[in-house]
Amino acid sequence: NAGVTQTPKFQVLKTGQSMTLQCAQDMNHEYMSWYRQDPGMGLRLIHYSVGAGITDQGEVPNGYNVSRSTTEDFPLRLLSAAPSQTSVYFCATARAPKAGAENIQYFGAGTRLSVL
Amino acid sequence: TQLLEQSPQFLSIQEGENLTVYCNSSSVFSSLQWYRQEPGEGPVLLVTVVTGGEVKKLKRLTFQFGDARKDSSLHITAAQPGDTGLYLCAAYTGGFKTIFGAGTRLFVKA
Repeated sequence: NAGVTQTPKFQVLKTGQSMTLQCAQDMNHEYMSWYRQDPGMGLRLIHYSVGAGITDQGEVPNGYNVSRSTTEDFPLRLLSAAPSQTSVYFCATARAPKAGAENIQYFGAGTRLSVL
Repeated sequence: TQLLEQSPQFLSIQEGENLTVYCNSSSVFSSLQWYRQEPGEGPVLLVTVVTGGEVKKLKRLTFQFGDARKDSSLHITAAQPGDTGLYLCAAYTGGFKTIFGAGTRLFVKA
């Protein structure tokens, strides 16, 4: 049972390049999200999706695009990478994102991205 | 803007010592969560507290939710090297969004 799988684990880009970070889940969760983690700033929500065909912006969406064509996959696209996007990116899924004990998010192992 | 402030930011202790880390906010939350993140991995949920004043125990870890539901603490008794990691608090803010604190990085020396 893989859970949440992120690829690649590491990536180095030059400023202006584009790339897609992949996230796949086998938990049949409707909710998926992308966070970035920077030192001293915790996890910040980039984009999220509550089901196939539905996406919305989080706290820091600029410079990133997402799509959700299937329940399983939620790719994150960097259109023109900038050094400010150097970070660790995490994908997470949840069965029912709401208050209380049912709000359990399952995270992938992360993608470490450096933009030079 | 709702924020979760965690303290201390970094803690280095000897095996066997006790410690407490804190998560504070000026906002009221209906529940609060603690996650632990090990190097190279994503966060893993430890506990969710949902009632003001609630205390939950997970082996040597004790979690408390403040009476006013604005803060929480995590106490570890007799810390072990396996407790080393980044401890994050999190809260659901509505609209399918969860906010996270910046974390307390704990290092337990053998």
